[in-house]
Amino acid sequence: GAVVSQHPSRVICKSGTSVKIECRSLDFQATTMFWYRQFPKQSLMLMATSNEGSKATYEQGVEKDKFLINHASLTLSTLTVTSAHPEDSSFYICSAVRGGSYNEQFFGPGTRLTVL
Amino acid sequence: GQQLNQSPQSMFIQEGEDVSMNCTSSSIFNTWLWYKQDPGEGPVLLIALYKAGELTSNGRLTAQFGITRKDSFLNISASIPSDVGIYFCAGVNTGNQFYFGTGTSLTVIP
Repeated sequence: GAVVSQHPSRVICKSGTSVKIECRSLDFQATTMFWYRQFPKQSLMLMATSNEGSKATYEQGVEKDKFLINHASLTLSTLTVTSAHPEDSSFYICSAVRGGSYNEQFFGPGTRLTVL
Repeated sequence: GQQLNQSPQSMFIQEGEDVSMNCTSSSIFNTWLWYKQDPGEGPVLLIALYKAGELTSNGRLTAQFGITRKDSFLNISASIPSDVGIYFCAGVNTGNQFYFGTGTSLTVIP
């Protein structure tokens, strides 16, 4: 099956620093990748849609200057949390779409971000 | 954004019991998907449904696409400890937008 990786799996940083999370589709090319955020015991909330070669589309209420997304190639999208604060602590999950169908949406293992 | 409502929110069952959970929406969906999420991991697709009334199985899992296109059901038969996790429904609506459900947490007691 298709594999999507995320790096790092866990990160702890100080308040005010920036953190970059990578999402890679290992065995397929993905024109579209998604970034989700998940709080404990809650569902995944879509943050943004990352399209290769173009600007990301952000969901309402998500600050694009706070969460910078770069989809530089068909196998890599990055999410940078800028000037992180404790309220940014969360589980961040990416997904990559193979082909054009949502049933071909494969999720990464997630990145646990803790901001002290 | 819109969320699909899942019930129950959580379940505690004995190993060997059958499990049933559902997902409802106020609007119509063209595709229903069921995922399982283990702790600290991303969701994994279990079953995809594409037609109203469709009933699809994957091992001990069976899911149905509701006739009204506003709901879907997932059943797990003869539960085992590794069924523990959070189950999410997801739907794709007529505008090709994807939404996750609120999730059902399943605990299986050996």
